[in-house]
Amino acid sequence: QSALTQPPSASGSPGQSVTISCTKTSNDVGDFNFVSWYQQHPGKAPKLLLYEVNKRPSGVPDRFSGSKSGNTASLTVSGLQAEDEADYHCSSYAGRNNVIFGGGTKLTVL
Amino acid sequence: QVQLEQSGAEVKKPGASVRVSCQPSGYTFTSYYLHWVRQAPGQGLEWMGRINPNSGDTKYAPKFQGRVTMTRDTSSSTAYMELSRLTSDDTAVYYCARSFGSGADPWGQGTLVIVSS
Repeated sequence: QSALTQPPSASGSPGQSVTISCTKTSNDVGDFNFVSWYQQHPGKAPKLLLYEVNKRPSGVPDRFSGSKSGNTASLTVSGLQAEDEADYHCSSYAGRNNVIFGGGTKLTVL
Repeated sequence: QVQLEQSGAEVKKPGASVRVSCQPSGYTFTSYYLHWVRQAPGQGLEWMGRINPNSGDTKYAPKFQGRVTMTRDTSSSTAYMELSRLTSDDTAVYYCARSFGSGADPWGQGTLVIVSS
């Protein structure tokens, strides 16, 4: 069982906003300042969407935003588009420079 | 353009070892850590460890300690991940990825490793 828990699925209609949570279940994760989010389309390599909670690499649309509160980090996808249908993974540093991933969330655009 | 090119698919028997290579281009090889992450069929991502290509220093996930070895060859700008004592549970796509902030980007195309008798 991962120290980061994500819902297995989420969904929304085009144009809506969807939020995916990532909850830490271990104190090894610390204060959650180093959360990253990835998007992965079927059969493709993951792509970095956000790092250090809410920083976007160049080229990532501002429809993707991140936040954290207490033991939970969140990824919000605004203005849902069909191309946003993918798996989303959170990760964090976890004690002694280890990295852990959540179990992933499958986002369906209805 | 930064790219990471990985070696091709492998089929191995239980108990064997596999070595996957990762050759970045488009940046100075020794300037960024490289991570190795795997994904079993239908499963999530699993971090295996990382290497500092400059110093060769490594950090392995506790689960893989003693079974994984990450190395690099600075003369060819290539990183390697070797996993030993393979079992069917090691069947997965193995990725290398360049460190980027607290995350990793870009990623290689992935290398499928199948462990089967």
